[in-house]
Amino acid sequence: DQQVKQNSPSLSVQEGRISILNCDYTNSMFDYFLWYKKYPAEGPTFLISISSIKDKNEDGRFTVFLNKSAKHLSLHIVPSQPGDSAVYFCAASVGGNTPLVFGKGTRLSVIA
Amino acid sequence: GAVVSQHPSWVICKSGTSVKIECRSLDFQATTMFWYRQFPKQSLMLMATSNEGSKATYEQGVEKDKFLINHASLTLSTLTVTSAHPEDSSFYICSARGGRSGNTIYFGEGSWLTVV
Repeated sequence: DQQVKQNSPSLSVQEGRISILNCDYTNSMFDYFLWYKKYPAEGPTFLISISSIKDKNEDGRFTVFLNKSAKHLSLHIVPSQPGDSAVYFCAASVGGNTPLVFGKGTRLSVIA
Repeated sequence: GAVVSQHPSWVICKSGTSVKIECRSLDFQATTMFWYRQFPKQSLMLMATSNEGSKATYEQGVEKDKFLINHASLTLSTLTVTSAHPEDSSFYICSARGGRSGNTIYFGEGSWLTVV
């Protein structure tokens, strides 16, 4: 059973517009959520995170929103740039020293 | 941010041989590191949790005798793929919890293993 779901395998957005990547989870024990960006044959790069006690966290062009009642989070990138083209993974953990649970990723293509 | 480094980035080996991949936390100590595997166009699958000074905890379906994990120090964990077969060809990534908050997990660059 997949605990973290990214239902859109791919997304195309025009440069300068907003990219919205979505993620749903089923485990209500998750209390920390992260977004990673990944290029082929490279390790994931940490982008932004949010604790379950918050509903929004912003860092530059990246904003993560958390809706605990819907068990849903989203990553907003604005404005989108061609260099943002990559696979984005949503991840969650139950805290402590537990491993992350990853979604399957969404491939974002930002078109110039 | 915290840095995790993996070595080697690329390795090609013959069937039946063993390959060791190293994972180092460069600017923080990590009592726990995690090893993942990624097949093409798929998500990262957790293989095992590496605990400093004790045995690794393997996920269901991962052969502990085939994927030997050693976490000898607070900054180094190694994954050894023993008696490698072509189906072991994959992208292996390690990670460690670190950074200022201690909550963020940082990943190494990954190691691409090809068994021929």
